[in-house]
Amino acid sequence: VQLQESGPGLVKPSQTLSLICTVSGGSFNIGLYHWTWIRQPAGKGLEWIGHIYASGSTNYNSSLKSRVTMSLDTSKQQFSLKVTSVTAADTAVYYCAGTRDCSSTTCYTSSWSDSWGQGILVTVSS
Amino acid sequence: QSVLTQPPSVSGAPGQRVTVSCTGSSSNIGAPYDVHWYQQLPGTAPKLLLYGNNNRPSGVPDRFSGSKSGTSASLAISGLRAEDEADYYCQSYDTTLSASVFGGGTKLTVL
Repeated sequence: VQLQESGPGLVKPSQTLSLICTVSGGSFNIGLYHWTWIRQPAGKGLEWIGHIYASGSTNYNSSLKSRVTMSLDTSKQQFSLKVTSVTAADTAVYYCAGTRDCSSTTCYTSSWSDSWGQGILVTVSS
Repeated sequence: QSVLTQPPSVSGAPGQRVTVSCTGSSSNIGAPYDVHWYQQLPGTAPKLLLYGNNNRPSGVPDRFSGSKSGTSASLAISGLRAEDEADYYCQSYDTTLSASVFGGGTKLTVL
């Protein structure tokens, strides 16, 4: 499965960051994957933002939960991320990823992301 | 502060074996939740290296292996090569946070 992030590279403080991830490769509706957003500030580590499942249910990082919304558009094979009231601390490379918790033979107790987009740099600045 | 603790850096000479540790707690690795590892080359997206503690996706050399015991996990890289120079991240699930969590990352330098 291939993923590609798109959206504005510059967002003003207090505004809403909106990104879309387009999925290709035919896996979007199979149910094998759930879909994830992860971000990485420059020079820092990875931060899990949240998952959205094929059912539309979501699970968000508690530190961002009040500001994050994820949604699916199955007709377009896309999922999206919105982060409201952004500050400079939200400046990061944002990755979308395809995530699973079962291989072809075994299910595991935590999920992993085996397909990643190339990432998109979002800068929060006036 | 990550709930999974990794050393900031490790190093080794070509051909050597290095390990990267990932230390958690009873609410994540020790719960027990499975651990996964990623390699991030400079300027690129992370790439899945190991899933389910010690399973290699297709295309990952068998020089990479993983283990888990108690509240910790380890990534071992044998026959170190220059192209292994990268950042490595562990990932698991934390039941207290109800969230997927990453380690802080370890920078591997090949001397």
